[in-house]
Amino acid sequence: AQKVTQAQTEISVVEKEDVTLDCVYETRDTTYYLFWYKQPPSGELVFLIRRNSFDEQNEISGRYSWNFQKSTSSFNFTITASQVVDSAVYFCALSELYNTDKLIFGTGTRLQVFP
Amino acid sequence: KAGVTQTPRYLIKTRGQQVTLSCSPISGHRSVSWYQQTPGQGLQFLFEYFSETQRNKGNFPGRFSGRQFSNSRSEMNVSTLELGDSALYLCASSPLDRGGELFFGEGSRLTVL
Repeated sequence: AQKVTQAQTEISVVEKEDVTLDCVYETRDTTYYLFWYKQPPSGELVFLIRRNSFDEQNEISGRYSWNFQKSTSSFNFTITASQVVDSAVYFCALSELYNTDKLIFGTGTRLQVFP
Repeated sequence: KAGVTQTPRYLIKTRGQQVTLSCSPISGHRSVSWYQQTPGQGLQFLFEYFSETQRNKGNFPGRFSGRQFSNSRSEMNVSTLELGDSALYLCASSPLDRGGELFFGEGSRLTVL
């Protein structure tokens, strides 16, 4: 069975601190996709990144970076120099390679960034 | 480009009633998915439609149903509402090519009294 675990329920940081959100997944598939989504207070989920299981390269996008380690089944997300606007709930998700509309979500991590 | 539009945004129903939620995908997107979000169960996949056909269904009872129209707009229906159906229902659309990201609407928040 597929499962995504986000052990951190809530994280509070002060602006400009770096913060890492953890994600551990379980799947029997050898090929799959991993995602991160952000949910601001307005409710809609905003796509941040998609990574397929073939590609273990880390990725950096501005202040965001992602560390994918297949050996530990982890896909962690780091925000560098956090800002108040980063405050949101962040979800990690998993899908089959050819079934990306059916996402298995983790329980989310609520990030609060204080000024 | 307009985003995914869901209506109504908020609604209150009583147990036993039924409800219909609507979703208009991004123009050109032919795939529509529905998710239920509750504090207890988190985000759970309900179903996915492509070209008016249900391609995937999550683990929900038959009271939950949906459909997609020829213009890709989708509706979901919940009959015989229960208190536990209170949730944020999120609709997402994706482009024709699978493997892409989902674009979510702001959701319809259903409260069942």
